[in-house]
Formats: sequence, C-alpha cells, structure tokens
Amino acid sequence: EADIYQTPRYLVIGTGKKITLECSQTMGHDKMYWYQQDPGMELHLIHYSYGVNSTEKGDLSSESTVSRIRTEHFPLTLESARPSHTSQYLCASSESRGTDTDTQYFGPGTRLTVL
Amino acid sequence: KNQVEQSPQSLIILEGKNCTLQCNYTVSPFSNLRWYKQDTGRGPVSLTIMTFSENTKSNGRYTATLDADTKQSSLHITASQLSDSASYICVVSDRGSTLGRLYFGRGTQLTVWP
Repeated sequence: EADIYQTPRYLVIGTGKKITLECSQTMGHDKMYWYQQDPGMELHLIHYSYGVNSTEKGDLSSESTVSRIRTEHFPLTLESARPSHTSQYLCASSESRGTDTDTQYFGPGTRLTVL
Repeated sequence: KNQVEQSPQSLIILEGKNCTLQCNYTVSPFSNLRWYKQDTGRGPVSLTIMTFSENTKSNGRYTATLDADTKQSSLHITASQLSDSASYICVVSDRGSTLGRLYFGRGTQLTVWP
C-alpha cells in the first residue's frame, strides 16, 4: 500500500467557492502529479512537479493551480469552482531514478462535485 | 496520434473463471507498458510493468503479455475472485521524454459474480 494521502475524499461545494485539494506522501518522492478522471474515461495529467519549487502544467488545460513548497506536499487549488470542475482528482508520486520505468503511486482520490 | 485502446469496455465473469483483457496502442517511440488495477473510488495500483525486451510478466494470478511488434498487450486473470472486480487500465510510456509521458487507456470494467 502506497503512503500517499488525499483529503478530502469527497467534497460538494457551490459555484464560485475557492477550494484546495490536499495531497501528501511520506515516501520522499521528488516527482508528484495531479490527474483528472471522469467516469469511464482515461486519466488526464493536469499538473506535475519534479521537486520543491518546480511545477508544470500537464496535457489537459486546467484552471487549477498547484504549489510545491515541501517535498511531501502538493496541494491543488481552484480559485472559483464551477460545475465543469466536477470530477475525480487523483494525486500520484514517483521516485526520481531517472528512468521511464519509475512507477507512479496513486492516492485514493478526491471526488469533487460543484453545484 | 498516440493512443491506447482497451477491449472489452466491460466484462462480467463468474467467480473461478479465467479472463483476458486486451490493450492495443499506437504510442511511439515505446518505453514500457503497465497494467493498473483501480477499485471503485480508489486510485490505480500497479500490477505489472514490461519494457520493450520483455514479453511476459506475472504477478500472482495476473499475467501480462506484450507483443511490441504488433503493439498489443493482454492481461490474463486466472481463477478469478470477487475482489478482482475493478477497472483494469493499460498505460503506455513513450521513450525520450524526461517526464516519461504516460498514455492511459479508458480501462476495462471487470465484474466477478459469485
């Protein structure tokens, strides 16, 4: 079982609210990722980080922002939530051995519903 | 266009039976292929990973095969159990990217009935 945690697990909020989805890992991994997944669809990378103070946008355009102030922590923030943001958000981390075979370990996900 | 296609989209089998899930990809260049298991409401968990030179990899009752020439992979589940009910996701990584760019399939939803 991977030591990567996400909170909250479920969140229902109204349009226009600011929210932060938390992700923490205790494995000391340098690389961390945020994915968005809709039911029956593939995962889409929205943000990633190679280490502290390093953040990049992924393949899927997202209005969210991320920060990486500490190695173990990679929060995702939505400044003004909209119904189109309703989705499952998965956080993952991997070692930085410099190979493409590094396995990503996923958190349990946050199911976000914006009314 | 780099894509990963999985079939079938969903599958129902009886407990104790075997099944095979398919994955076809067009990702190039190719680095490795992973199979993940995702339980409902949970994050994916890695089952197997195969590089270009490997054509089979086992993890308990799960056996993955890879044909890099035809760009096909399969995941065979032996003697299925109720706990095997989950979505199985095929993930292909391209070579040459510092990120190890991952391409995800949509998954096969497997349901095991008692």
